[in-house]
Amino acid sequence: DVKVTQSSRYLVKRTGEKVFLECVQDMDHENMFWYRQDPGLGLRLIYFSYDVKMKEKGDIPEGYSVSREKKERFSLILESASTNQTSMYLCASSFSGSRVYEQYFGPGTRLTVT
Amino acid sequence: AQSVTQLDSHVSVSEGTPVLLRCNYSSSYSPSLFWYVQHPNKGLQLLLKYTSAATLVKGINGFEAEFKKSETSFHLTKPSAHMSDAAEYFCVVRANAGKSTFGDGTTLTVKP
Repeated sequence: DVKVTQSSRYLVKRTGEKVFLECVQDMDHENMFWYRQDPGLGLRLIYFSYDVKMKEKGDIPEGYSVSREKKERFSLILESASTNQTSMYLCASSFSGSRVYEQYFGPGTRLTVT
Repeated sequence: AQSVTQLDSHVSVSEGTPVLLRCNYSSSYSPSLFWYVQHPNKGLQLLLKYTSAATLVKGINGFEAEFKKSETSFHLTKPSAHMSDAAEYFCVVRANAGKSTFGDGTTLTVKP
């Protein structure tokens, strides 16, 4: 079974703090994704990576950065957390090369910034 | 370019009655289409996918969906709802090997 794990289920941080969200997958997937989920807005793509050290901006990259030093690990970084970044963050991974491959999701991290 | 519209933000059914969750898509190329389910405080789980083989796709937990190119639709159905089906459902379109586009989600409520 594919497993995507996220470092925390719940996280509370203060405004201005630097926040790291970690994601690890065990299926040797090339693609990894970070999404943000807010009520009524579905999932919005923040960043994705199609290979080690490669990244592309998604639809809402402002205020975020990412790091992928190893194939199995993809980190989302909030350089200076703000209250409008309070949200559910979902990591996903998939094989690359074709539109037929589905994404596998982690359980999510609910981040609250106070 | 690709987009997806879930036509209902909320659907409420009684246990044992049919479920219909509607999804329309737009894509410049022949897409793959997916339905995911998300139970409260959980990640998304794949229900089924269409990848240009059979137009009627069967998934897990008794769900199925039919790809209708002429109507650009991929509606999700289940003959008989169960209480455990209460969740949020997402329709997803993917036209190439890159990004997927998610619908805004449909919350399914199942009444006893």
